[in-house]
Amino acid sequence: GNSVTQMEGPVTLSEEAFLTINCTYTATGYPSLFWYVQYPGEGLQLLLKATKADDKGSNKGFEATYRKETTSFHLEKGSVQVSDSAVYFCALSGRGSYIPTFGRGTSLIVHP
Amino acid sequence: NAGVTQTPKFQVLKTGQSMTLQCAQDMNHNSMYWYRQDPGMGLRLIYYSASEGTTDKGEVPNGYNVSRLNKREFSLRLESAAPSQTSVYFCASSESSNQPQHFGDGTRLSIL
Repeated sequence: GNSVTQMEGPVTLSEEAFLTINCTYTATGYPSLFWYVQYPGEGLQLLLKATKADDKGSNKGFEATYRKETTSFHLEKGSVQVSDSAVYFCALSGRGSYIPTFGRGTSLIVHP
Repeated sequence: NAGVTQTPKFQVLKTGQSMTLQCAQDMNHNSMYWYRQDPGMGLRLIYYSASEGTTDKGEVPNGYNVSRLNKREFSLRLESAAPSQTSVYFCASSESSNQPQHFGDGTRLSIL
């Protein structure tokens, strides 16, 4: 079956530091890949997505590239802000499968 | 835009009581989902509905029932609540199997 593995947190950074959250996946076929963000007390919201190999998703300064050769979709941001403190989830969903697969989530804490 | 609306936002029940969590989406999405989120466990799928008129079990369906009332609404029922069902419940919807999900803000349920 499908699976998503992301680095355990919490990840603690100072403001303006570089962020990487690793995500690797196992899936049959060519899934779509997503990063979601969850702020305290809220539901998950889509941060970015990529639907095919070598696609780069980007939003709000965050980027992730769909790497089929390494089955990875790592999340990066060049300069984090305190307001980026949240839990980040990597996920995939396959064409024809109605059950998406989520990673366990990685908590990011950014200090001023 | 309302997106996905869940009611209630908070609820406290006694063991053995029943209740229904309501979810409605206004995006004309075909698929709808119920998850529970517990500390350290990530998101776990309870039930999903790929399209109006169909429902299927997810990873943790025991103790729950669902109804896809129409295309907009997907309710989750606890017939006899147990303390192990204390959790945050999220409803989500998506246009199709490989599209991103849209989440509600959750229902925080405590069972004493």
